[in-house]
Amino acid sequence: AQTVTQSQPEMSVQEAETVTLSCTYDTSESDYYLFWYKQPPSRQMILVIRQEAYKQQNATENRFSVNFQKAAKSFSLKISDSQLGDAAMYFCAFKIIGTYKYIFGTGTRLKVLA
Amino acid sequence: KAGVTQTPRYLIKTRGQQVTLSCSPISGHRSVSWYQQTPGQGLQFLFEYFSETQRNKGNFPGRFSGRQFSNSRSEMNVSTLELGDSALYLCASSNRDRDYEQYFGPGTRLTVT
Repeated sequence: AQTVTQSQPEMSVQEAETVTLSCTYDTSESDYYLFWYKQPPSRQMILVIRQEAYKQQNATENRFSVNFQKAAKSFSLKISDSQLGDAAMYFCAFKIIGTYKYIFGTGTRLKVLA
Repeated sequence: KAGVTQTPRYLIKTRGQQVTLSCSPISGHRSVSWYQQTPGQGLQFLFEYFSETQRNKGNFPGRFSGRQFSNSRSEMNVSTLELGDSALYLCASSNRDRDYEQYFGPGTRLTVT
C-alpha cells in the first residue's frame, strides 16, 4: 500500500526561527514526485515545494527547503526565518509518475509565535 | 487566469439526503480530481476525471459518484448522506501534460446533521 505518514500533528515555532516538519512515505515505485502543500486557515491549499524523486539535489524555494532521503523514504520540510504568515496546515504528498492519484498525509498544524 | 472555483462553499444537509457539489477548473485544465478532507484523516482521494471519463478512483463507497462535462466542469454527488460524510470537499485541476502541478479550489464544507 502507498502511504504518507506525518507523525507531528502540531508544531510551534518562534517567529524568525527555523522549524522542520517530518514526512515519511511508502511506495515500491521508483519514479514519483513529492510535494509539500500549505493550507492557511480558511484559505486555499497551495503548493509550497516539489521534489522529483530522480533528482538527488534537494529542492529549495526561498525560505523553504526539503531534505529528501530516498532510501529512507523520508521527505522533511525546513522553514527558515519563520513568519506569522507561515501558520497553516502543511500536507506532505506524493504521486507516482504516470498516474493521476495523489496520496496525502494527515497534515501538521504549524503555529508561529510572535 | 481565474482559479479553481467550487460551489456552494457551505452546505448543511440531513442524513439520508443527497448532495451535488460543483467544480470549475482553471481554463485549459481538463483533469479534475476530488478529495475528502477530514480532521485526522487528511486528504483522501475520491476520483479523477479527464475528458468526461473517470480515470482513477479511490476507496470510497458507490454513494460517491461524479461526472465531468464537455467544458471540463465537474460535479460530485453523494447519495444517502451519513453523518461521517461531513467534511471539506476539495477539487483540484491540472493540465495532464503538467500533471505534477495541481491547483486546488477553496472547497465545499458539507455538514450532515
